[in-house]
Amino acid sequence: NAGVTQTPKFRILKIGQSMTLQCTQDMNHNYMYWYRQDPGMGLKLIYYSVGAGITDKGEVPNGYNVSRSTTEDFPLRLELAAPSQTSVYFCASSYPGTGETQYFGPGTRLLVL
Amino acid sequence: DQQVKQNSPSLSVQEGRISILNCDYTNSMFDYFLWYKKYPAEGPTFLISISSIKDKNEDGRFTVFLNKSAKHLSLHIVPSQPGDSAVYFCAASDLGSSASKIIFGSGTRLSIRP
Repeated sequence: NAGVTQTPKFRILKIGQSMTLQCTQDMNHNYMYWYRQDPGMGLKLIYYSVGAGITDKGEVPNGYNVSRSTTEDFPLRLELAAPSQTSVYFCASSYPGTGETQYFGPGTRLLVL
Repeated sequence: DQQVKQNSPSLSVQEGRISILNCDYTNSMFDYFLWYKKYPAEGPTFLISISSIKDKNEDGRFTVFLNKSAKHLSLHIVPSQPGDSAVYFCAASDLGSSASKIIFGSGTRLSIRP
């Protein structure tokens, strides 16, 4: 099993550009999450989904959008990139009843200049 | 307002000795606590957890202690090994909330020296 995969690993964007961070999991998990981690900080929840077709905002959703058309995929969209969105983005998934254990992807490092 | 706090950004411990990582929380609704370990350029990986109905959980070299009255938990690693050098995140969850949302602390970088 690949677990949670994320693409790309690294990307440089210019201010105002848009991009989609891809996330796929092959564990048939219902729940999926997007986090960002800024230097010296913990992980902040951006958006989450409890199943296909259902998404909800986390702690820091501004500037991002998500969709969940399948159980496996949970892409994160940045519409107008800003320097404040320079961060490392992690996707995670979990299965209900697993005691909140989340499985993380390797991360996408994004630099907005 | 940080609901989960790790006040020590870094910790250096000699190989073979005990490593103790601390974590405090403010939300009394939290009833499940986790520790994640993170190596550079990788995602966090689950290490150990504890429910609020317990005060101790042990898994090999790793033990987590929970003091609910003090809203404090700690992770003990005995004996510490070079491969334990990583960033450790404390996390907490309210199992009654939706979607298994977890609140993470800012992390403690543990370095094991020879």
